[in-house]
Amino acid sequence: QIQLVESGGGVVQPGRSLRLSCAASAFTFSSYAMHWVRQAPGKGLEWVAVISYDGSNKYYADSVKGRFTISRDNSKNTLYLQVNSLRAEDTAVFYCAKELEGGAVAGTQVDYWGQGTLVTVSS
Amino acid sequence: QSALTQPPSASGSPGQSVTISCTGTSSDVGGTNYVSWYQQYPGKVPKLMIYEVSKRPSGVPDRFSGSKSGNTASLTVSGLQAEDEADYYCSSYAGSNNLVFGGGTKLTVL
Repeated sequence: QIQLVESGGGVVQPGRSLRLSCAASAFTFSSYAMHWVRQAPGKGLEWVAVISYDGSNKYYADSVKGRFTISRDNSKNTLYLQVNSLRAEDTAVFYCAKELEGGAVAGTQVDYWGQGTLVTVSS
Repeated sequence: QSALTQPPSASGSPGQSVTISCTGTSSDVGGTNYVSWYQQYPGKVPKLMIYEVSKRPSGVPDRFSGSKSGNTASLTVSGLQAEDEADYYCSSYAGSNNLVFGGGTKLTVL
């Protein structure tokens, strides 16, 4: 079955950086756009970013534009999120999620989610 | 990129039906058929329940149904069961390859 496994979270000081990873398996990773979605403790889901199936197009939520960078390595079936200049309000579980429809479609709906990786920003 | 509006809570007794609304604008919910609903138990991963307004993924009970009218989408759970108690989130394509989620609704089975 489709698996998405995030890693790279942890406790980090304000202003520092982290790189999150998401290893995908059991589907043709290179055929699907991929998303990052976050959820602050006790709060709702917030879409963060999406990258097209081939990595050529990237789109971000206004709240993270300029600080976060989404990327992918299709040879490794891995999605990444570089998070810079972290703030306390970035504390959240970060989920990677697969676009439901393959091909050029990106940013419409997601079907499978990983277990998430917790990022805690604290001094 | 404003969040879609959902009621914070909803409730119903076993066997009853409950409907959760998700209100957006003509730039998101009203302008697309890419409206989805997710179920999330505390501490667990969201699960897709409805996509493209009213389609059910394989394995989702037909007690769950979706619809849309204008800028408001709705999730209806019929024949409520104790296991339906969870948080529910809607999402919508918001143009420019952006996705937007609702604030979530906590469904309580009385």
